[in-house]
Amino acid sequence: KAGVTQTPRYLIKTRGQQVTLSCSPISGHRSVSWYQQTPGQGLQFLFEYFSETQRNKGNFPGRFSGRQFSNSRSEMNVSTLELGDSALYLCASSLGSAMETQYFGPGTRLLVL
Amino acid sequence: DQQVKQNSPSLSVQEGRISILNCDYTNSMFDYFLWYKKYPAEGPTFLISISSIKDKNEDGRFTVFLNKSAKHLSLHIVPSQPGDSAVYFCAASNRGGGTSYGKLTFGQGTILTVHP
Repeated sequence: KAGVTQTPRYLIKTRGQQVTLSCSPISGHRSVSWYQQTPGQGLQFLFEYFSETQRNKGNFPGRFSGRQFSNSRSEMNVSTLELGDSALYLCASSLGSAMETQYFGPGTRLLVL
Repeated sequence: DQQVKQNSPSLSVQEGRISILNCDYTNSMFDYFLWYKKYPAEGPTFLISISSIKDKNEDGRFTVFLNKSAKHLSLHIVPSQPGDSAVYFCAASNRGGGTSYGKLTFGQGTILTVHP
């Protein structure tokens, strides 16, 4: 079974731009969660989607948004990029019916200049 | 307010010996715990998990112990191998749903180095 895939793997943007990251979950998984990893804050939960609905959201500004499609693929968008948004963005998938083990993708490294 | 803590930033052990990684939590609502291994610039890889109804779970060289009264869990790796060198994260979740859906709370990680 193929694992979680994320595209692109690397991105360089400038302040004020916006960015869209994509995540394809493991086949059959309906829940997708997004995390931000930075050296200072560690791994922080952004939000979770299940059956195209956002079920949970972490403590991030509204510039961070996401969506999920009917095939469970998910995208996250960051608008008006700031230098502090430079991070590794990880998505994870799980079956979603209860809190099960999450399986992570390789991440997208975003650098904001 | 760090609800999951890994107080040892690093650990160094000899090949063949036991590695013990520790994790403490403060939120008594957590009822499912996981350990992940991570290499730089890669996503975390799931290792082993334990539900709060158990106090031990074993999978090959990896064993996780949970002490609910102390709000403490540990990961034992026996025997340690050089390929185990990585950053290890513990994570916790509340299976009750609601504001817990899809959310893992992570510790800051422990860098394990296994010397040949």
